[in-house]
Amino acid sequence: DTAVSQTPKYLVTQMGNDKSIKCEQNLGHDTMYWYKQDSKKFLKIMFSYNNKELIINETVPNRFSPKSPDKAHLNLHINSLELGDSAVYFCASTGGVPTGELFFGEGSRLTVL
Amino acid sequence: DAKTTQPNSMESNEEEPVHLPCNHSTISGTDYIHWYRQLPSQGPEYVIHGLTSNVNNRMASLAIAEDRKSSTLILHRATLRDAAVYYCILLGNYGGSQGNLIFGKGTKLSVKP
Repeated sequence: DTAVSQTPKYLVTQMGNDKSIKCEQNLGHDTMYWYKQDSKKFLKIMFSYNNKELIINETVPNRFSPKSPDKAHLNLHINSLELGDSAVYFCASTGGVPTGELFFGEGSRLTVL
Repeated sequence: DAKTTQPNSMESNEEEPVHLPCNHSTISGTDYIHWYRQLPSQGPEYVIHGLTSNVNNRMASLAIAEDRKSSTLILHRATLRDAAVYYCILLGNYGGSQGNLIFGKGTKLSVKP
């Protein structure tokens, strides 16, 4: 069983479209994250949710809206996609830091044309 | 979260030990030292973490300097599968609030057969 799963793995879309990436974890963790890895391979946190509540919201355009219907799911919705949104998006979860570890999904590669 | 400094790249031969250094001279007393790695086309993967004492697990060992201003990740016998980017990250204990992993550039480890 995959601990943190993301769908879709690949997403190709046109500028201006709206798209969503889904994330589910079956580890019973309270905290989930979205990270973005750009073409230069820098990994940067976007959002953190703890028990369905937003904890961290880094400087991310408000076109990006995370939604957590329950603590096992954290979805990422992106409106009005731009070329610069092309990246790999990783979902992660943890039972608690700093003493615990983060579990990452395999990533969702978004390409905006 | 305090900053870390790692070499951009390192090379190793298969089945030899690898010592990956990390400097964190501004570490605070409550910062944990975490190591993650990212294999090509995969999400980051937890390797090991520690606070003050050296740590061992099935993947690696973590040697922490007495003053905690540096640490070394030790892979005892490198395999081709260990070729990855290794990230050294400091994570503070915020007493209940959820910190986030701040990824630097990491060290790209190449393993030669």
